[in-house]
Amino acid sequence: GAGVSQSPSNKVTEKGKDVELRCDPISGHTALYWYRQSLGQGLEFLIYFQGNSAPDKSGLPSDRFSAERTGGSVSTLTIQRTQQEDSAVYLCASSSPGGGLYNEQFFGPGTRLTVL
Amino acid sequence: GQQVMQIPQYQHVQEGEDFTTYCNSSTTLSNIQWYKQRPGGHPVFLIQLVKSGEVKKQKRLTFQFGEAKKNSSLHITATQTTDVGTYFCAGRDGYGNKLVFGAGTILRVKS
Repeated sequence: GAGVSQSPSNKVTEKGKDVELRCDPISGHTALYWYRQSLGQGLEFLIYFQGNSAPDKSGLPSDRFSAERTGGSVSTLTIQRTQQEDSAVYLCASSSPGGGLYNEQFFGPGTRLTVL
Repeated sequence: GQQVMQIPQYQHVQEGEDFTTYCNSSTTLSNIQWYKQRPGGHPVFLIQLVKSGEVKKQKRLTFQFGEAKKNSSLHITATQTTDVGTYFCAGRDGYGNKLVFGAGTILRVKS
């Protein structure tokens, strides 16, 4: 596709259930980020994948959160035993170093997660 | 670790007034980027600054990168209702390092 896609666009789940959020970055982009944004708030960094390097997981708020990136492309963010405070919009972004230049991040439309 | 602070958190202006948001990094940056997020939307890239003291303009928007490459500003002249949204700065302190976002400045414009 032409841009970053995320699925589902909306997810409503019950407290204690696990959820998986998917991100399809722009083809060829080596960098992929996950952010969380609560209503009216800024972007909370979660995790960063860059090529084949070990991911930077320093933003994950607890061990209930994990993410993987298979084959350097699609990424899945998993939240186990969801809590109400996990409710937020989860944004994915990708970018490419492209010849040594620090290129812009392209954001997906986000997944709105609601935990009841 | 690297931190990026952004002020003000929120600004409400009358249409036609100017607006400025400021960004400060705890470390020297290799580049800084600015993004705009419209209400209900996702952040969209506006511009990137790389050189010390660099100034770039996009119509009514003026972006500056400080001489020490630790701060930046975005100035909007004669705001319009279409400028409403949240403006984020984001800096990187080295090649391959992750981009770190400021908390954003929410701009509201009264017509």
